[in-house]
Amino acid sequence: AQSVSQHNHHVILSEAASLELGCNYSYGGTVNLFWYVQYPGQHLQLLLKYFSGDPLVKGIKGFEAEFIKSKFSFNLRKPSVQWSDTAEYFCAVNANTGGFKTIFGAGTRLFVKA
Amino acid sequence: GAVVSQHPSRVICKSGTSVKIECRSLDFQATTMFWYRQFPKQSLMLMATSNEGSKATYEQGVEKDKFLINHASLTLSTLTVTSAHPEDSSFYICSAAGQGKNNEQFFGPGTRLTVL
Repeated sequence: AQSVSQHNHHVILSEAASLELGCNYSYGGTVNLFWYVQYPGQHLQLLLKYFSGDPLVKGIKGFEAEFIKSKFSFNLRKPSVQWSDTAEYFCAVNANTGGFKTIFGAGTRLFVKA
Repeated sequence: GAVVSQHPSRVICKSGTSVKIECRSLDFQATTMFWYRQFPKQSLMLMATSNEGSKATYEQGVEKDKFLINHASLTLSTLTVTSAHPEDSSFYICSAAGQGKNNEQFFGPGTRLTVL
């Protein structure tokens, strides 16, 4: 069965600091990978996704993620965070078997100090 | 883009009553819809997957007689919480996936259910 683990439950950063949120998954086959963001009081939004091709994926708002197949990882990065990046971030995986079932990680709550 | 709506956004009900939550894909045909439950400060837990015109597939530990799911059309799925109890209070989120959407799910805004 698929599982997703996010390494950090809470992260506190100052503005302009660099961000890296870890995500590892367990599934032996081909996967599609996602990062979602949930701002306070809002619903989930897709930040970026990886299906195939270049393992370095660029998303919205300056975020990027790198798929490292050998490490089963899909870490999220941003070189310089802003106060408005305060939110909860979820890594998600679905197996590329033609279905859509997606498993979410536990989430990482990011707080950026102004 | 793809828009998914949920109705109602908030509902408060008495213990023992049933509550129906609707999930609609507004601008695409959703062949598959998902229902999630999110507890405070926790991740989304998949409850069930429904394909249009067929019975829903429930995740382990989710009571299918408690959480009735109907996906009667390509744009509408409903979740009915039957005989609700305070422990059913939660945030329920649906998502929809469809043809041509590259395995991507589009999420609704969620419904906050409070059972008194």
